[in-house]
Amino acid sequence: QKEVEQNSGPLSVPEGAIASLNCTYSDRGSQSFFWYRQYSGKSPELIMSIYSNGDKEDGRFTAQLNKASQYVSLLIRDSQPSDSATYLCAVWYIKAAGNKLTFGGGTRVLVKP
Amino acid sequence: DAMVIQNPRYQVTQFGKPVTLSCSQTLNHNVMYWYQQKSSQAPKLLFHYYDKDFNNEADTPDNFQSRRPNTSFCFLDIRSPGLGDAAMYLCATSRVKQGGQPQHFGDGTRLSIL
Repeated sequence: QKEVEQNSGPLSVPEGAIASLNCTYSDRGSQSFFWYRQYSGKSPELIMSIYSNGDKEDGRFTAQLNKASQYVSLLIRDSQPSDSATYLCAVWYIKAAGNKLTFGGGTRVLVKP
Repeated sequence: DAMVIQNPRYQVTQFGKPVTLSCSQTLNHNVMYWYQQKSSQAPKLLFHYYDKDFNNEADTPDNFQSRRPNTSFCFLDIRSPGLGDAAMYLCATSRVKQGGQPQHFGDGTRLSIL
């Protein structure tokens, strides 16, 4: 089992619709979760951090965390063509060898006008 | 604006010719990270510095070295680049090492090997 798993996509959504991205992780002890957006050929850009169970909203983005199910999701409301990118889920792992941020492989989102 | 700056944005080197990538930050963060990212893959952590304390990932090849002469600067040295080292190299910083702190990335350096 991968430490952080995401559906690679592409997730195709019409402009104005809601894009729903999912991420599961294997370490029950993880406490910190992040979503990054990465445009093709660019570096990752932090868009959301979430630490507690429940929802966290920031503009058109909502992150949802369920630690019991080891599941974190990202909703993008009113999707725009500029939201077309790869979205990376990242989980802070506590390991004996050293703690580190572990990334999923990313979900590619395509928003069609 | 406080930021993480990587130079150069694009680097072309010859097979086996040493190359150095640089990263500077004005965030005054304690931790600096180097990641390697290949096409359609997740960023892979190579090593990080917590202040002057260097931490190497177990699977980072010996070919990769790093230096942090002061808080603001960090360098990635690739001693003998092979074709498999062609990738985007990302520098990131965080205020402290604890998990609650997000990492902030520079724009990356895309390395090509001839």
